[in-house]
Amino acid sequence: SYHLIQPPSESVSPGQTASITCSGDRLGDKYASWYQQKPGQSPVLVIYQDTKRPSGIPERFSGSNSGNTATLTIRGTQDVDEADYFCQAWDSKTAVFGGGTKLTVL
Amino acid sequence: QLQLQGSGPGLVKPSETLSLTCSLSDGSISSSAHFWGWIRQPPGKGLEWIGNIYYSGLTYYNPSLKTRVTISVDTTENQFSLRVSSVTAADTAVYYCARLSSQNTADLKYYYMDVWGKGTSVTVSS
Repeated sequence: SYHLIQPPSESVSPGQTASITCSGDRLGDKYASWYQQKPGQSPVLVIYQDTKRPSGIPERFSGSNSGNTATLTIRGTQDVDEADYFCQAWDSKTAVFGGGTKLTVL
Repeated sequence: QLQLQGSGPGLVKPSETLSLTCSLSDGSISSSAHFWGWIRQPPGKGLEWIGNIYYSGLTYYNPSLKTRVTISVDTTENQFSLRVSSVTAADTAVYYCARLSSQNTADLKYYYMDVWGKGTSVTVSS
């Protein structure tokens, strides 16, 4: 079965750039989505189809996907961005999520 | 603005069947551009996709759960449902319903989960 690997945690200082990676075999041949989840809340879509941002998501969120790695980048990170982030892709008509990365803003 | 509301028992006994329903507000389940899905999250853990359904009844399931899961759609009631049979403690989780969207409906790979319900907490315990 297909697996997506994320680092369990990342930390970033306010105002700096955070990068969260998601690795999977030939992930660049698929489309990656990213979801933000704050404690006690439902996930929120922040990036879809590798690079697209839903309406209402700040421009500081961006995505890329090439080779075996998709990356979520948050420029000018703010305190409100502290959350868990999950990547997701489809493989053989099955949706696969990464294990999630806890982003700490400190 | 579409809203999804999950409902169902919060406590299910081991070996019994878990049943949840997701009702739509301000949107139609019969939209040709969307699938409707279930995702779960065990306490303190990550997200696990359970399956999707199209308004026509076309379904896709997680292979690891396929033998125990049934997703159905009721277009007249504008809702879709999840059943998980023979539950164990490992099925304890928050269950989310979600809308899956894509401008390109040719392949599942284009779909993303853009609207999520609030989540229904289900505990499996005797």
